[in-house]
Amino acid sequence: AQSVTQLGSHVSVSEGALVLLRCNYSSSVPPYLFWYVQYPNQGLQLLLKYTSAATLVKGINGFEAEFKKSETSFHLTKPSAHMSDAAEYFCAGGTGFQKLVFGTGTRLLVSP
Amino acid sequence: KAGVTQTPRYLIKTRGQQVTLSCSPISGHRSVSWYQQTPGQGLQFLFEYFSETQRNKGNFPGRFSGRQFSNSRSEMNVSTLELGDSALYLCASSLSAGSENTIYFGEGSWLTVV
Repeated sequence: AQSVTQLGSHVSVSEGALVLLRCNYSSSVPPYLFWYVQYPNQGLQLLLKYTSAATLVKGINGFEAEFKKSETSFHLTKPSAHMSDAAEYFCAGGTGFQKLVFGTGTRLLVSP
Repeated sequence: KAGVTQTPRYLIKTRGQQVTLSCSPISGHRSVSWYQQTPGQGLQFLFEYFSETQRNKGNFPGRFSGRQFSNSRSEMNVSTLELGDSALYLCASSLSAGSENTIYFGEGSWLTVV
């Protein structure tokens, strides 16, 4: 069965530091993968999506993620954190019929 | 282009009542899915509709139901509300049936059961 694991429920970085949020998936079939961000009291906003066209996916707000099949990983990175990046981030995967399986989320804290 | 619109945004219901939540997908999108988000269980898939047909259903009791209309708008209903049904209910839409279609979410409906 498809599952998505996010390592670390909280990640703290300083403003300007590298952001690395980890996501691993399990599936016998190449999945399609997403990263979403959720700000307080809001819905989910799509950051980026893996479509198998390229292993390095660039998203909005300077985020990118690299699909590594050998490691079954899809980690999210941003070279330099900004205060406005503080939010909860969800990795999600699916194999069809729009049914997404979500990770448990990682709350990103950015300190000045 | 308007995004996924959900109404109402906030509501409070009493245990035992029922509730209906509404979702208008992005124009042209024919697939609508619903998710429940709670602090304890996280984000869980409820069901998905395409062309008025339910194609997939999550592991929720029969008190949770939904439907889709010919204009792709969707509603979900929860009957005999329980305290544990308090959650953020998110609606999502995508263009069609393909697995690579991007799924866009609405702002959600916050349901509090007292």
